This record gives sequence, structure tokens and C-alpha cells, in this order.
Amino acid sequence: DAKTTQPPSMDCAEGRAANLPCNHSTISGNEYVYWYRQIHSQGPQYIIHGLKNNETNEMASLIITEDRKSSTLILPHATLRDTAVYYCIVRAPAANFGNEKLTFGTGTRLTIIP
Amino acid sequence: SQTIHQWPATLVQPVGSPLSLECTVEGTSNPNLYWYRQAAGRGLQLLFYSVGIGQISSEVPQNLSASRPQDRQFILSSKKLLLSDSGFYLCAWNIRTDTEAFFGQGTRLTVV
Repeated sequence: DAKTTQPPSMDCAEGRAANLPCNHSTISGNEYVYWYRQIHSQGPQYIIHGLKNNETNEMASLIITEDRKSSTLILPHATLRDTAVYYCIVRAPAANFGNEKLTFGTGTRLTIIP
Repeated sequence: SQTIHQWPATLVQPVGSPLSLECTVEGTSNPNLYWYRQAAGRGLQLLFYSVGIGQISSEVPQNLSASRPQDRQFILSSKKLLLSDSGFYLCAWNIRTDTEAFFGQGTRLTVV
């Protein structure tokens, strides 16, 4: 898996948009960008993923730069329940043999402030 | 629908005792399976992953071992626990390398 770099921590005011950056400058052309989050003492939860185009679902939006070297996860209206550690990882398709392992970095600890 | 079960939720074990944590997945076949450990305030460390029955890859040398006796069963074991084995253990699965992974609720192990 390509290496990703995220800020260790961020704060965001409740009701505001939380923008979490991730750098993945060594990403390969066929690797997807995935985001997960982990609320304290629970298993990580999948949020969203994308390849080239921006993506949106009921939880968040994912903005991937044109050169794909970085991305931003956007939580449009942050609530206190969004306080968690957010992980950005990149994954290759199944056709890449030997790429089964799934590694996480240290993530960004997002704190939503009332 | 697919579900993942991991147990027990919490465990307190004395140093030198054995360990067996079990993880099972329902509703899918031939999943990739993973064991992670998370020390207090730290990120997720991949311990083992498996792409099929009897196929285990170890990421870090340690006091732990893993086995996959059945397609949807993944077991984490130790013969003699160390204090440093304390942590939050998570099992996960996905069906392909480029699909999202689903995690169990974790086991909080305290070695005393």
C-alpha cells in the first residue's frame, strides 16, 4: 500500500464543515483512496472511497486532486458524534497479486468542539 | 447480509496464561481476514492476514500466532501472554483487496 500522511489532530466547531487532508504522493494510477473512522473503543467504520472523481455519500464527500497526490474528506456539518480518529489509506485492485494486506497509518484525531 | 462476530469483548488474563480470540464472518465466502492490535492512544497495527484456509501471513514477529481452520473463522492465539500483549484487538474482513473492510467490535485484553 502507498504511504499516506495525515495531520495528527484537528479541531472543528460543531455545525461547521470538517476538512481532513491526506497526502498520498506515491499513489499508483490504479489505487483507490479509502477513508475510515474509529470512534473510541469501537472497530473502524468505512466512510467513503474514490479513484479519480469526487465522491459523495450520506456521510461525507471525498475530493481528490487532479494529480491524485492528495485528497480531502469533508464532513459537511460536523456533530459531536463525528469526534473520532480518521484514517486515510490507499488500496490497489485485486488484480495486483500480493497486495492483500491492509495497513493503516496513525490517522487524524478529529475533535468536534461544542 | 454479512456480519462479523468477535469475542470476548473484554478479557483479563494473567501473565503466562494462554490466549484464544475468535472471529467469525457470516454471509460471505472466501473473505480476506485480518487481525489488528491497537495499543492505548496508538494506531492500528496489522498483526496477521489471511487470504484462505491455512494461509496466514504475519506482519510482525511477536508472541502471538493466528490460524484459519475454516473459511470464515480466524483465531488469534498465544501460548504464554506477556504484559506487552495488552491492547485492543480487532478482527476485520473484506472480499477483495479493493473493497471496503468491515471490522468487529474488538476485544480489550488486559494482561496482569
